[in-house]
Amino acid sequence: EVLLVQSGAEVKKPGESLKISCKGSGYRFTNTWIGWVRQMPGKGLEWMGSIYPDDSDIRYSPSFQDQVTISADKSINTVYLHWSSLKASDTAMYYCARLENYFDYWGQGTLVTVSS
Amino acid sequence: DIVMIQSPDFLAVSLGERATINCKSSQSVLYISNNKNYLSWYQQKPGQPPKLLISWASSRQSGVPDRFSGSGSGTDFTLTINNLQAEDVAIYYCQQYYHTPYTFGQGTNLEIK
Repeated sequence: EVLLVQSGAEVKKPGESLKISCKGSGYRFTNTWIGWVRQMPGKGLEWMGSIYPDDSDIRYSPSFQDQVTISADKSINTVYLHWSSLKASDTAMYYCARLENYFDYWGQGTLVTVSS
Repeated sequence: DIVMIQSPDFLAVSLGERATINCKSSQSVLYISNNKNYLSWYQQKPGQPPKLLISWASSRQSGVPDRFSGSGSGTDFTLTINNLQAEDVAIYYCQQYYHTPYTFGQGTNLEIK
């Protein structure tokens, strides 16, 4: 069974850093792209970027380039989404999803709340 | 970027009736060399992640009820839900994977009339 399990909800202050994770199992993790998708409160879905864990090839959406960093540790089947300095506007639900052209399996989501 | 526009934004349909959601892309998502439309549909229920319903514009995922169907080609696509059930209340999104950045429609909120 394909599973993507994300790290838990986070509450942070503006300016703080944060790294959230997504651990895959049940398939060949290293040889399949994983994407990150943002959903701001009450809003739609936005693709942020994707990573190929085997060689850490990364594609960013221009909207998120330089805003976040995507990385992977293939030894533990995990991909990460990192912010160096959070803003209130980063408050959102973040999903990881397996990318087989389309997003066929999704993590449960990580809610990030940024508030002073 | 390829812009995806869905219509309508909100849709109320009676139980047992048909729901039709449209999705239009700003450029064709049909890849000529393999004759495939790089278009998918997702269902998102409150408090849940999106769920893939349809890929390649018309290929229903395993386990998805056959009352869900996708059609269209090029720039115009449709998700049809026949015999609407109470559990189909959700927001539905189309998405193109023809070209990065991958983009989604704004969503269609489907309710029971």
